[in-house]
Amino acid sequence: AQSVTQLDSHVSVSEGTPVLLRCNYSSSYSPSLFWYVQHPNKGLQLLLKYTSAATLVKGINGFEAEFKKSETSFHLTKPSAHMSDAAEYFCVVSGSGYSTLTFGKGTMLLVSP
Amino acid sequence: KAGVTQTPRYLIKTRGQQVTLSCSPISGHRSVSWYQQTPGQGLQFLFEYFSETQRNKGNFPGRFSGRQFSNSRSEMNVSTLELGDSALYLCASSSTGADQPQHFGDGTRLSIL
Repeated sequence: AQSVTQLDSHVSVSEGTPVLLRCNYSSSYSPSLFWYVQHPNKGLQLLLKYTSAATLVKGINGFEAEFKKSETSFHLTKPSAHMSDAAEYFCVVSGSGYSTLTFGKGTMLLVSP
Repeated sequence: KAGVTQTPRYLIKTRGQQVTLSCSPISGHRSVSWYQQTPGQGLQFLFEYFSETQRNKGNFPGRFSGRQFSNSRSEMNVSTLELGDSALYLCASSSTGADQPQHFGDGTRLSIL
């Protein structure tokens, strides 16, 4: 089975400070990993994806994530938070033996002025 | 290019009724997946349709059903509505399948009274 654990349900940062959202995964196959963002009353938007080409993946809006196989982690980072980054973030895994995506429970990012 | 369109955006129904939700995928996308999102259970996969055939199914009762038309538009039906069916229902499309990056609509918010 494959699974995703987002280690924090809520993360609070101040505008201009770094963001770290943590994700661990479990997969019997070489996984593909994604991060999505969801703003209130909206659907999910793809931030970035890892598909084994490079371990450091750059996404939209200044976000990036590093795939660490030894730690089975795929943490999302951003050097400097903006107010517009306040949203819920989902870590997602897909493996070659599975035909659907598995979503984490989500991390709510709160950004204060 | 138009995104994924879901209609209606909001619905209010009472227990025992049935409801049909509609989803128009991105032009050229043949895979349409449906998800249920609730605060308690998070994002759960309902089913996927590809070229008018149900290809994958999540762990939901038979009251939840769907179909896909030749133009790739999809509908989801829920019969004998229960209070627990209150949720945001998200539709997503991709060119190849439910295990690939998905493009999401903004969802239909279903409230059961």
